[in-house]
Amino acid sequence: AQSVAQPEDQVNVAEGNPLTVKCTYSVSGNPYLFWYVQYPNRGLQFLLKYITGDNLVKGSYGFEAEFNKSQTSFHLKKPSALVSDSALYFCAVLGGGGNKLTFGTGTQLKVEL
Amino acid sequence: DGGITQSPKYLFRKEGQNVTLSCEQNLNHDAMYWYRQDPGQGLRLIYYSQIVNDFQKGDIAEGYSVSREKKESFPLTVTSAQKNPTAFYLCASRGWASTDTQYFGPGTRLTVL
Repeated sequence: AQSVAQPEDQVNVAEGNPLTVKCTYSVSGNPYLFWYVQYPNRGLQFLLKYITGDNLVKGSYGFEAEFNKSQTSFHLKKPSALVSDSALYFCAVLGGGGNKLTFGTGTQLKVEL
Repeated sequence: DGGITQSPKYLFRKEGQNVTLSCEQNLNHDAMYWYRQDPGQGLRLIYYSQIVNDFQKGDIAEGYSVSREKKESFPLTVTSAQKNPTAFYLCASRGWASTDTQYFGPGTRLTVL
């Protein structure tokens, strides 16, 4: 069965500094990986995904993620954090014969002035 | 969130009552999903449907039921058999390909009184 680990419950970063939210995965077969963001009492918004190709994936709002097959990681990054980036971030991996997304437990990002 | 609507936004239920949560999409997506979100646990899959008149149990289907009579609609019934139904419920849909992105609705917060 597939699984996702987000080792940090919370990440704090100062505005203007680079941010990284970590994700590692386990899946049989090719990994298809996703990042979503959730603001309080809202649904999840899609940020980016890795299906195949370039290991550096660029997504919405200036976010990017680096796929590393040898380390089974898919860390989310942004060069310069904004206070408005403060939210809950979820990493997910596609498995279950391609029909099911398995989510990590989420990482709360707090960007402070 | 656009294209997927969930109603109501907030729902209160007395113990022993069944309630039905609505999910409608106008994206012409084939697959639809129901997730449950609890603090610190990420999202867990309840049921999913890949085509009309067909659906499969997810990881936590006990105490829930669904129907898929129309492509646009995938209502979820929380029955009295669900022992701890208080949670945030999210509906999602995606296109035909398994690697297509799942898009989420705004969610329904269910509270059992």
